[in-house]
Amino acid sequence: DAKTTQPPSMDCAEGRAANLPCNHSTISGNEYVYWYRQIHSQGPQYIIHGLKNNETNEMASLIITEDRKSSTLILPHATLRDTAVYYCIVTLYGSSNTGKLIFGQGTTLQVKP
Amino acid sequence: NAGVTQTPKFRVLKTGQSMTLLCAQDMNHEYMYWYRQDPGMGLRLIHYSVGEGTTAKGEVPDGYNVSRLKKQNFLLGLESAAPSQTSVYFCASSYRLGGSGTDTQYFGPGTRLTVL
Repeated sequence: DAKTTQPPSMDCAEGRAANLPCNHSTISGNEYVYWYRQIHSQGPQYIIHGLKNNETNEMASLIITEDRKSSTLILPHATLRDTAVYYCIVTLYGSSNTGKLIFGQGTTLQVKP
Repeated sequence: NAGVTQTPKFRVLKTGQSMTLLCAQDMNHEYMYWYRQDPGMGLRLIHYSVGEGTTAKGEVPDGYNVSRLKKQNFLLGLESAAPSQTSVYFCASSYRLGGSGTDTQYFGPGTRLTVL
């Protein structure tokens, strides 16, 4: 599985968009980009995932560069409840894959009033 | 649906004691996983299971054993606890889609284990 690089921490003002970057320069063609978050020692929570197209759901948007070497998670209107550690994970999925997730240290996002 | 549940929520052990952590899921998921998380670190995979009766090693399997006798349950055992096993343990499950499909993991609330 490709490794990822994320900034250790970021701040965001409440109500503004939070843009969390992730570098995955060694990603291979059949690896997906997943984002999870962990709020204050709770179990991680799935946010969004993508292969090569941009994706959007009710929680966030995922922008993947054309060369797939980096991506950005966007929380459009951050709230205090979005304060959490955000993990960018690249993982291989296929018939022989077990869905194992390799967690790095993530980005601690602090949303401030 | 309760999702993924873990018991117990907290436990304190003395060095050398044994215990079993229970993970249960009611989503009919094929895949189940055990992770540990040390302070300030990301999660690390201990063991996982791709179906009832099967288990496999993850990144940090030493000192742990697992069993998947029933599809809905995944047990993590510590035969002789050591202080280095003080951690928060998370269980997760996912539904196998097969082929080139993708999937997400659903996590339990965690078990906080302290070994003195």
